[in-house]
Amino acid sequence: RKEVEQDPGPFNVPEGATVAFNCTYSNSASQSFFWYRQDCRKEPKLLMSVYSSGNEDGRFTAQLNRASQYISLLIRDSKLSDSATYLCVVNLAVLTGGGNKLTFGTGTQLKVEL
Amino acid sequence: GAVVSQHPSRVICKSGTSVKIECRSLDFQATTMFWYRQFPKQSLMLMATSNEGSKATYEQGVEKDKFLINHASLTLSTLTVTSAHPEDSSFYICSASPIQGGGYTFGSGTRLTVV
Repeated sequence: RKEVEQDPGPFNVPEGATVAFNCTYSNSASQSFFWYRQDCRKEPKLLMSVYSSGNEDGRFTAQLNRASQYISLLIRDSKLSDSATYLCVVNLAVLTGGGNKLTFGTGTQLKVEL
Repeated sequence: GAVVSQHPSRVICKSGTSVKIECRSLDFQATTMFWYRQFPKQSLMLMATSNEGSKATYEQGVEKDKFLINHASLTLSTLTVTSAHPEDSSFYICSASPIQGGGYTFGSGTRLTVV
């Protein structure tokens, strides 16, 4: 089983639509969670952190369910500029040697169309 | 915000040669930097964790003698791909997080093509 699993998509949606991405992680000791956005042939950029209480940033809402080891991202009123790959990222504190380890999902591709 | 500069952005080299990639934190200090590799249509895979003043920690399956990492200061880590082969062609990305905490910032990546 992959440590972080995502549906690769692509999700093709019309402009203005609401779209939701899901992600599951296998390690229950994971401590923090993020959604990153990666444009084609570019580096990932942090979209938002994900908190247990759920958090919202404009059109983006992230949810975390620790019991189910499940993370979601909701995008409302999709824009053409939202077209990208969305990466679910999990941070696991490494007890041996200290530090942290980010584990990336393969990403979900979103295409917003006119 | 935190900025990480990575150079070069693109490099083409001959098989058997070595390539050095630099990762600099421009406005913060980082005791730890991370090196990732991403093949087409795949996720970022952590290669190694670079620790300032000590040896890097490599992930399973990553050859430490082939991917040399040096983290000589709190703002610079380098990755050298030695004796590069075509299968080493990939997108290499570094990331860092400020000592005082905060999110991880990625460099712009280096696209390596070995011919």
